[in-house]
Amino acid sequence: QVQLVQSGAEVKKPGASVKVSCKASGYTFTSYDINWVRQATGQGLEWMGWMNPNSGNTGYAQKFQGRVTMTRNTSISTAYMELSSLRSEDTAVYYCARVRRYSSLLDAFDIWGQGTMVTVSS
Amino acid sequence: VIWMTQSPSLLSASTGDRVIISCRMSQGISSYLAWYQQKPGKAPELLIYAASTLQSGVPSRFSGSGSGTDFTLTISCLQSEDFATYYCQQYYSFPPTFGQGTKVEIK
Repeated sequence: QVQLVQSGAEVKKPGASVKVSCKASGYTFTSYDINWVRQATGQGLEWMGWMNPNSGNTGYAQKFQGRVTMTRNTSISTAYMELSSLRSEDTAVYYCARVRRYSSLLDAFDIWGQGTMVTVSS
Repeated sequence: VIWMTQSPSLLSASTGDRVIISCRMSQGISSYLAWYQQKPGKAPELLIYAASTLQSGVPSRFSGSGSGTDFTLTISCLQSEDFATYYCQQYYSFPPTFGQGTKVEIK
Protein backbone atom coordinates (compact mmCIF):
# COMPACT_ATOMS: atom_id res chain seq x y z
CA GLN A 1 0.00 0.00 0.00
CA VAL A 2 0.98 3.63 -0.38
CA GLN A 3 2.94 4.71 2.67
CA LEU A 4 5.67 6.92 4.04
CA VAL A 5 7.87 5.47 6.77
CA GLN A 6 10.05 7.80 8.80
CA SER A 7 13.21 7.24 10.80
CA GLY A 8 13.19 6.86 14.55
CA ALA A 9 13.25 9.33 17.41
CA GLU A 10 16.28 11.54 17.92
CA VAL A 11 17.76 13.35 20.92
CA LYS A 12 20.09 16.21 20.10
CA LYS A 13 21.99 18.89 21.99
CA PRO A 14 21.42 22.57 21.29
CA GLY A 15 23.45 23.72 18.30
CA ALA A 16 23.53 20.28 16.70
CA SER A 17 21.82 19.15 13.50
CA VAL A 18 19.26 16.41 12.87
CA LYS A 19 18.44 14.57 9.66
CA VAL A 20 15.10 12.80 9.38
CA SER A 21 14.35 10.34 6.60
CA CYS A 22 11.05 9.51 4.92
CA LYS A 23 10.91 6.37 2.78
CA ALA A 24 8.13 6.10 0.22
CA SER A 25 6.60 2.89 -1.03
CA GLY A 26 3.60 1.81 -3.07
CA TYR A 27 3.80 4.62 -5.61
CA THR A 28 6.24 6.39 -7.95
CA PHE A 29 8.33 8.48 -5.58
CA THR A 30 9.33 11.07 -8.18
CA SER A 31 5.75 11.90 -9.18
CA TYR A 32 4.49 13.56 -6.00
CA ASP A 33 5.96 16.45 -4.02
CA ILE A 34 6.89 15.83 -0.40
CA ASN A 35 6.24 18.41 2.30
CA TRP A 36 7.49 18.57 5.87
CA VAL A 37 5.29 19.68 8.77
CA ARG A 38 6.16 19.82 12.43
CA GLN A 39 4.12 19.83 15.63
CA ALA A 40 5.36 20.82 19.07
CA THR A 41 3.76 18.95 21.95
CA GLY A 42 0.19 20.10 22.46
CA GLN A 43 0.47 22.59 19.62
CA GLY A 44 -0.79 22.93 16.05
CA LEU A 45 0.71 22.03 12.70
CA GLU A 46 3.50 24.14 11.20
CA TRP A 47 4.54 23.84 7.57
CA MET A 48 8.30 23.82 7.00
CA GLY A 49 8.80 23.37 3.28
CA TRP A 50 8.42 21.22 0.17
CA MET A 51 10.58 19.27 -2.23
CA ASN A 52 10.01 17.95 -5.72
CA PRO A 53 11.62 14.49 -5.68
CA ASN A 54 12.02 14.49 -9.45
CA SER A 55 13.90 17.77 -9.88
CA GLY A 56 15.15 18.24 -6.35
CA ASN A 57 13.65 21.73 -6.31
CA THR A 58 12.74 22.98 -2.86
CA GLY A 59 10.90 25.79 -1.13
CA TYR A 60 11.16 26.62 2.55
CA ALA A 61 9.09 28.58 5.03
CA GLN A 62 10.73 31.90 5.78
CA LYS A 63 11.06 30.93 9.45
CA PHE A 64 13.40 28.05 8.56
CA GLN A 65 15.37 29.64 5.71
CA GLY A 66 19.07 29.06 6.26
CA ARG A 67 18.52 26.27 8.79
CA VAL A 68 16.61 23.62 6.85
CA THR A 69 17.69 21.52 3.89
CA MET A 70 15.44 19.05 2.06
CA THR A 71 17.03 16.46 -0.19
CA ARG A 72 16.25 13.07 -1.68
CA ASN A 73 17.76 9.84 -2.91
CA THR A 74 15.61 8.61 -5.76
CA SER A 75 17.37 5.25 -5.95
CA ILE A 76 15.89 4.32 -2.58
CA SER A 77 12.72 6.48 -2.77
CA THR A 78 13.69 8.43 0.31
CA ALA A 79 13.32 12.09 1.22
CA TYR A 80 15.35 13.81 3.92
CA MET A 81 14.89 16.88 6.08
CA GLU A 82 17.90 18.28 7.88
CA LEU A 83 17.52 21.01 10.48
CA SER A 84 20.63 22.69 11.86
CA SER A 85 21.49 24.98 14.79
CA LEU A 86 18.90 23.21 16.88
CA ARG A 87 17.38 24.95 19.89
CA SER A 88 14.94 23.79 22.54
CA GLU A 89 12.04 25.33 20.59
CA ASP A 90 12.70 22.82 17.79
CA THR A 91 11.57 19.97 20.04
CA ALA A 92 8.62 18.57 18.11
CA VAL A 93 7.27 15.72 16.04
CA TYR A 94 8.33 16.09 12.42
CA TYR A 95 6.10 14.68 9.66
CA CYS A 96 6.65 14.16 5.97
CA ALA A 97 3.52 14.30 3.84
CA ARG A 98 2.73 13.68 0.19
CA VAL A 99 0.65 16.01 -1.95
CA ARG A 100 -2.56 14.46 -3.20
CA ARG A 101 -2.22 15.08 -6.92
CA TYR A 102 0.39 13.91 -9.39
CA SER A 103 2.87 16.67 -10.26
CA SER A 104 1.02 19.19 -8.11
CA LEU A 105 2.99 21.88 -6.34
CA LEU A 106 0.29 22.98 -3.91
CA ASP A 107 -2.36 20.55 -2.74
CA ALA A 108 -3.81 18.79 0.24
CA PHE A 109 -1.62 16.16 1.90
CA ASP A 110 -3.11 12.72 1.48
CA ILE A 111 -0.37 10.45 2.84
CA TRP A 112 1.58 11.21 6.02
CA GLY A 113 4.53 9.53 7.65
CA GLN A 114 4.10 8.29 11.19
CA GLY A 115 6.15 11.17 12.59
CA THR A 116 9.62 11.44 14.11
CA MET A 117 10.07 12.88 17.58
CA VAL A 118 13.07 15.19 17.80
CA THR A 119 14.06 16.29 21.30
CA VAL A 120 16.56 19.09 21.76
CA SER A 121 18.00 19.12 25.25
CA SER A 122 21.31 19.79 26.93
CA VAL B 1 0.74 34.89 4.35
CA ILE B 2 -2.90 33.85 4.63
CA TRP B 3 -4.08 33.73 8.24
CA MET B 4 -6.77 31.38 9.38
CA THR B 5 -9.13 31.60 12.29
CA GLN B 6 -10.58 28.27 13.30
CA SER B 7 -13.40 28.07 15.84
CA PRO B 8 -14.21 26.89 18.34
CA SER B 9 -10.88 25.74 19.78
CA LEU B 10 -12.67 23.28 22.05
CA LEU B 11 -16.03 21.64 21.46
CA SER B 12 -17.78 19.39 23.95
CA ALA B 13 -20.31 17.08 22.37
CA SER B 14 -22.08 13.78 22.80
CA THR B 15 -22.30 10.77 20.54
CA GLY B 16 -25.03 11.38 17.98
CA ASP B 17 -24.66 15.17 18.02
CA ARG B 18 -24.28 17.29 14.92
CA VAL B 19 -21.01 19.19 15.11
CA ILE B 20 -19.94 22.21 13.07
CA ILE B 21 -16.41 23.62 12.95
CA SER B 22 -15.64 26.91 11.26
CA CYS B 23 -12.57 28.19 9.45
CA ARG B 24 -12.24 31.78 8.27
CA MET B 25 -9.46 33.08 5.99
CA SER B 26 -7.80 36.47 5.99
CA GLN B 27 -8.30 36.57 2.21
CA GLY B 28 -10.18 34.58 -0.41
CA ILE B 29 -8.83 31.16 -1.31
CA SER B 30 -11.51 29.94 -3.72
CA SER B 31 -12.02 26.29 -2.67
CA TYR B 32 -8.40 25.40 -1.90
CA LEU B 33 -9.15 24.14 1.58
CA ALA B 34 -8.58 20.80 3.28
CA TRP B 35 -9.73 19.33 6.60
CA TYR B 36 -7.72 16.85 8.66
CA GLN B 37 -8.46 14.70 11.68
CA GLN B 38 -5.73 13.95 14.19
CA LYS B 39 -5.91 11.53 17.08
CA PRO B 40 -3.43 11.59 19.98
CA GLY B 41 -0.02 10.21 19.03
CA LYS B 42 -1.00 9.81 15.38
CA ALA B 43 -0.36 11.68 12.17
CA PRO B 44 -3.14 13.84 10.72
CA GLU B 45 -5.45 12.15 8.22
CA LEU B 46 -7.04 13.88 5.25
CA LEU B 47 -10.83 14.04 5.47
CA ILE B 48 -11.85 16.60 2.86
CA TYR B 49 -10.12 18.49 0.07
CA ALA B 50 -11.27 21.17 -2.35
CA ALA B 51 -13.50 22.40 0.49
CA SER B 52 -16.18 19.76 -0.02
CA THR B 53 -14.76 16.61 -1.64
CA LEU B 54 -14.62 13.61 0.67
CA GLN B 55 -11.33 11.74 0.63
CA SER B 56 -11.69 8.09 -0.32
CA GLY B 57 -12.65 5.93 2.65
CA VAL B 58 -13.93 8.78 4.83
CA PRO B 59 -17.44 8.19 6.22
CA SER B 60 -20.25 10.19 4.68
CA ARG B 61 -21.20 11.73 8.03
CA PHE B 62 -18.32 14.15 7.36
CA SER B 63 -19.03 17.02 4.98
CA GLY B 64 -17.42 20.30 4.07
CA SER B 65 -18.77 23.49 2.59
CA GLY B 66 -17.80 27.04 1.77
CA SER B 67 -15.67 29.03 -0.64
CA GLY B 68 -13.79 32.28 -0.60
CA THR B 69 -13.13 33.10 3.03
CA ASP B 70 -15.62 31.07 5.09
CA PHE B 71 -15.65 27.30 5.42
CA THR B 72 -17.26 24.70 7.65
CA LEU B 73 -16.72 21.07 8.52
CA THR B 74 -19.84 19.26 9.65
CA ILE B 75 -20.06 15.89 11.36
CA SER B 76 -23.70 14.91 11.02
CA CYS B 77 -23.90 12.26 13.74
CA LEU B 78 -20.87 12.14 16.00
CA GLN B 79 -19.44 8.68 16.62
CA SER B 80 -17.08 7.61 19.40
CA GLU B 81 -14.18 7.37 16.95
CA ASP B 82 -14.69 11.00 15.91
CA PHE B 83 -13.41 12.45 19.18
CA ALA B 84 -10.19 14.00 17.96
CA THR B 85 -8.63 17.30 16.90
CA TYR B 86 -9.55 18.79 13.53
CA TYR B 87 -7.47 21.18 11.45
CA CYS B 88 -8.26 23.22 8.36
CA GLN B 89 -5.49 24.01 5.86
CA GLN B 90 -5.37 26.39 2.91
CA TYR B 91 -3.33 25.46 -0.13
CA TYR B 92 -4.23 28.43 -2.29
CA SER B 93 -0.85 30.09 -1.90
CA PHE B 94 2.56 29.63 -0.30
CA PRO B 95 3.11 29.10 2.49
CA PRO B 96 0.30 26.61 3.07
CA THR B 97 -1.12 27.36 6.50
CA PHE B 98 -3.14 25.48 9.07
CA GLY B 99 -5.84 26.59 11.46
CA GLN B 100 -5.14 26.39 15.18
CA GLY B 101 -7.21 23.23 15.58
CA THR B 102 -10.52 22.26 17.17
CA LYS B 103 -10.51 19.57 19.81
CA VAL B 104 -13.78 17.64 19.91
CA GLU B 105 -14.15 16.10 23.34
CA ILE B 106 -16.75 13.97 25.05
CA LYS B 107 -19.32 16.03 26.90
